[in-house]
Amino acid sequence: GAVVSQHPSWVICKSGTSVKIECRSLDFQATTMFWYRQFPKQSLMLMATSNEGSKATYEQGVEKDKFLINHASLTLSTLTVTSAHPEDSSFYICSARDDMYEQYFGPGTRLTVT
Amino acid sequence: AQTVTQSQPEMSVQEAETVTLSCTYDTSENNYYLFWYKQPPSRQMILVIRQEAYKQQNATENRFSVNFQKAAKSFSLKISDSQLGDTAMYFCAFTPGGGFQKLVFGTGTRLLVSP
Repeated sequence: GAVVSQHPSWVICKSGTSVKIECRSLDFQATTMFWYRQFPKQSLMLMATSNEGSKATYEQGVEKDKFLINHASLTLSTLTVTSAHPEDSSFYICSARDDMYEQYFGPGTRLTVT
Repeated sequence: AQTVTQSQPEMSVQEAETVTLSCTYDTSENNYYLFWYKQPPSRQMILVIRQEAYKQQNATENRFSVNFQKAAKSFSLKISDSQLGDTAMYFCAFTPGGGFQKLVFGTGTRLLVSP
């Protein structure tokens, strides 16, 4: 089956710094990728839809200047958390959609901001 | 607004028994897709089963089957012959048809399978 990777799997950063998370579709091309955030024992909350070659579409309440999304190629989308604060600590999950409109999820990235 | 409701925060079942997880949804769409995803402790989301709304036949995948009641907007998941590896969070999800837009997830049901 299709595989989606995320890097890093776990990152610790200091408050005020920026951190970049990569999402790659390894064996298929994905014109659309999605970024989710998940708090402990809660459901997935969609943050934004990333479309290759165009600007991301952010969900209501998500700060686009804080969570920068770039989808520069058909296999890579990046999420950059700028000026991170402890409240940004969370589990971030990406998914990639193939030509058959199936979504495949990455393994997630645990972000801890100290 | 499209919403997905899972009314059972936690469920327990003994190994080899059958358990049913409930899910209801609300939409004005006529064409859509429904999914059950499993999230084990590793937190990797795994697709368990999916159902197209235009299909009347309930989807099945080995030990997993659904009871899709379109008029009632109900989409329950039945796990037969439960195994210890089925212990996980289970999320019901919905997406409108016509190109798989974003997924709307329910709040999840934590399933514990005990020996």
